[in-house]
Amino acid sequence: AQSVTQLGSHVSVSEGALVLLRCNYSSSVPPYLFWYVQYPNQGLQLLLKYTSAATLVKGINGFEAEFKKSETSFHLTKPSAHMSDAAEYFCAVSVRGTSYGKLTFGQGTILTVHP
Amino acid sequence: NAGVTQTPKFQVLKTGQSMTLQCAQDMNHNSMYWYRQDPGMGLRLIYYSASEGTTDKGEVPNGYNVSRLNKREFSLRLESAAPSQTSVYFCASSGGTGVYEQYFGPGTRLTVT
Repeated sequence: AQSVTQLGSHVSVSEGALVLLRCNYSSSVPPYLFWYVQYPNQGLQLLLKYTSAATLVKGINGFEAEFKKSETSFHLTKPSAHMSDAAEYFCAVSVRGTSYGKLTFGQGTILTVHP
Repeated sequence: NAGVTQTPKFQVLKTGQSMTLQCAQDMNHNSMYWYRQDPGMGLRLIYYSASEGTTDKGEVPNGYNVSRLNKREFSLRLESAAPSQTSVYFCASSGGTGVYEQYFGPGTRLTVT
């Protein structure tokens, strides 16, 4: 069975600072990996996904994530935080080979951006 | 193209009452899912439907039932609501081909008193 651990339930940064949200996964087979963002009182929106085509994945809003198999990690980064990035972020893993793409989510990380 | 829609947006129930949460998608997706979201616990899968005509239990199915009415619609029923079912409920769908990212509805905020 697969699992996801997000290190840090809350991360606080200053506007313009680097954003780093950590995600480690466990999977017995090569995984698909995702980052989703949830703004207050909204549903989840896909930020980016790892499909094995490239280990560095670029997503929307200037975010990117790097798949590191040796570290079983898929950390999310953004070089310069903006106030509009304040939201909750979820890492998720899906097992390849299934026909229905069931996702397992981490507990989420709330990102706060200070002026 | 509305994506995934959910009704209602908000609901307050008394303990023991029943209700059905509705979900529909217009993306011709094969798979649909119901999650609940509670603070600090991420999203937990209640039930899913891999394809029309099939449903399976997820991580937290107790107290819920589902119906995959057709390819578009997937409903979640609470037969006898309990305060522990106070949560935000999300429906999602995925195409089932290629990389299986899921597309989420806006959620239903349910309070059981």
